[in-house]
Amino acid sequence: DAMVIQNPRYQVTQFGKPVTLSCSQTLNHNVMYWYQQKSSQAPKLLFHYYDKDFNNEADTPDNFQSRRPNTSFCFLDIRSPGLGDAAMYLCATSREGEATDTQYFGPGTRLTVL
Amino acid sequence: GQNIDQPTEMTATEGAIVQINCTYQTSGFNGLFWYQQHAGEAPTFLSYNVLDGLEEKGRFSSFLSRSKGYSYLLLKELQMKDSASYLCAVRDGDYKLSFGAGTTVTVRA
Repeated sequence: DAMVIQNPRYQVTQFGKPVTLSCSQTLNHNVMYWYQQKSSQAPKLLFHYYDKDFNNEADTPDNFQSRRPNTSFCFLDIRSPGLGDAAMYLCATSREGEATDTQYFGPGTRLTVL
Repeated sequence: GQNIDQPTEMTATEGAIVQINCTYQTSGFNGLFWYQQHAGEAPTFLSYNVLDGLEEKGRFSSFLSRSKGYSYLLLKELQMKDSASYLCAVRDGDYKLSFGAGTTVTVRA
């Protein structure tokens, strides 16, 4: 059974048209992450939630926002997508407090900007 | 900042062994992870090292030397399905991971 679910798997939007990507988890993990991954590059952390606390990476553009209404769900909002925002967006979760705990990734949403 | 280096590409023959090296320079260290990522899919967890030495899991093994800032992932008895990108990631002291760019392994018949 899928543990980290992302919808949609593929998203096409127009330049400047807001888009929302969603992530849900059944693991009851307290930390949720959003990564951006471009072709042949490392996943780049955009931000994460530790419980309800939002943590933005210093170089994440203001164009990217996130919401976590409850433990299970997290959303990535791109307010005005540009061509450079076309990428795979990965959601991941982890349970902190256990040293060996790893991050579990969802299948990703591939965003195309026209 | 974090610096994690791994080779861009490697090619090997089915049934052979391949070793993927990873070197890192990070502000802290609280474990090193290896992930496998097939094209267009999410990374999946392979292994975790926090102490020096070798961790073996079936056909996959991972080694860590903290003093050298070095790890490798060893893939034995290669199968066609092992063709993928392999990502080295370091947890730098809290819970966030910093990833290398990945090594694309191509397995040929």
